[in-house]
Amino acid sequence: AQLVESGGGVVQPGRSLRLSCAASGFTFSSYGMHWVRQAPGKGLEWVAVIWYDGSNKYFADSVKGRFTISRDNSRNTLYLQMNSLRADDTAVYYCARAQITLGFDYWGQGTLVTVST
Amino acid sequence: DMQMTQSPSTLSASVGDRVTITCRASQSISSWLAWYQQKPGKAPNLLIYKASSLESGVPSRFSGSGSGTEFTLTISSLQPDDFATYYCQQYNSYPWTFGQGTKVEIK
Repeated sequence: AQLVESGGGVVQPGRSLRLSCAASGFTFSSYGMHWVRQAPGKGLEWVAVIWYDGSNKYFADSVKGRFTISRDNSRNTLYLQMNSLRADDTAVYYCARAQITLGFDYWGQGTLVTVST
Repeated sequence: DMQMTQSPSTLSASVGDRVTITCRASQSISSWLAWYQQKPGKAPNLLIYKASSLESGVPSRFSGSGSGTEFTLTISSLQPDDFATYYCQQYNSYPWTFGQGTKVEIK
């Protein structure tokens, strides 16, 4: 299994950014997928999850109403749309595959999002 | 939300030492707990799932125990490759939450 994130960069506060995560080596449409972030020098923070078929989504309170998660199973790709970005959204964003009995068994390499003027 | 509290935050140890890290949940999570190892600049790596099950390919010097609210990760004989930061994570209920991490340093 392989997960490759893209779309990170420097963005001004209040602007938007969309991250992508390309999956390969496994049946993407069979797995729930998550975004987890890590601010510089800090710990891991779970951000959002989307069910294997897109039927359910949950978000951390810190991003609720600003971030949306989606997936395109025909393209084996996971997305994170981030709106109204704030300085405290600055972090490396990881996509991760989850199994309900294992937790996160595969992670991408991460993509850095920097929110700054 | 479920709070996960790890201790200690930092641990200094020598090669060959037995190391134990503790993780406490604010409510019972049954055995829905995972442990991850993270090295600088890298993604986390799954070590233990369901509190005590060793992920495939992980050395047997790593072990996990506990259920309910108290959990431990033990490294039976610390190796040079084990100096890293370790995180516990509950997946009993959303939002999934992580402990704050334990950095294992060279003594």
